[in-house]
Amino acid sequence: DVKVTQSSRYLVKRTGEKVFLECVQDMDHENMFWYRQDPGLGLRLIYFSYDVKMKEKGDIPEGYSVSREKKERFSLILESASTNQTSMYLCASTPSGRYEQYFGPGTRLTVT
Amino acid sequence: AQSVTQLDSQVPVFEEAPVELRCNYSSSVSVYLFWYVQYPNQGLQLLLKYLSGSTLVKGINGFEAEFNKSQTSFHLRKPSVHISDTAEYFCAVSGGQNFVFGPGTRLSVLP
Repeated sequence: DVKVTQSSRYLVKRTGEKVFLECVQDMDHENMFWYRQDPGLGLRLIYFSYDVKMKEKGDIPEGYSVSREKKERFSLILESASTNQTSMYLCASTPSGRYEQYFGPGTRLTVT
Repeated sequence: AQSVTQLDSQVPVFEEAPVELRCNYSSSVSVYLFWYVQYPNQGLQLLLKYLSGSTLVKGINGFEAEFNKSQTSFHLRKPSVHISDTAEYFCAVSGGQNFVFGPGTRLSVLP
């Protein structure tokens, strides 16, 4: 079975802090994605990556950056956390040529 | 670009009753269609997918969905729901390099 893990299930940070969310997948997938999930809005794509050291902006990249130094790891960085970034963050991966995405358990981030 | 509409934000239903969760999409290219389920405080789990072939797709936990190209719909059905089906359900569309989710439908199964 594909396993996608996220470093924290719950996280509380203060406004202005730099926040790192880590995602690791164990199935050698080429593609990795970061979403945020808010009630009534579904999932919105923040960034995605098709290969190591490659990244592409999604629909809502403002206030976020990403890093993919190794194939299995995709990090989401909030450079200066703000209260409007309080959300559920979901990581997903998929192999090249396939379409369904495999999700991690999510990180619920609260910024106070 | 693609978009997905889930017409019902909440669906309450009694245990052992049938249920249909509606999904419509728009796209200018051929698409692949998915339904995901999210239990409280968990990530999304794939229920079923339509890539090609038979328009009636069977998934896990007794769910099935039917792709209707003329109506651009991909409704999810289950003939008899259980309390454990209480969750949020997301329809998703993949076309080209895009993967778009609907806003979700919260299914509440009542005893």
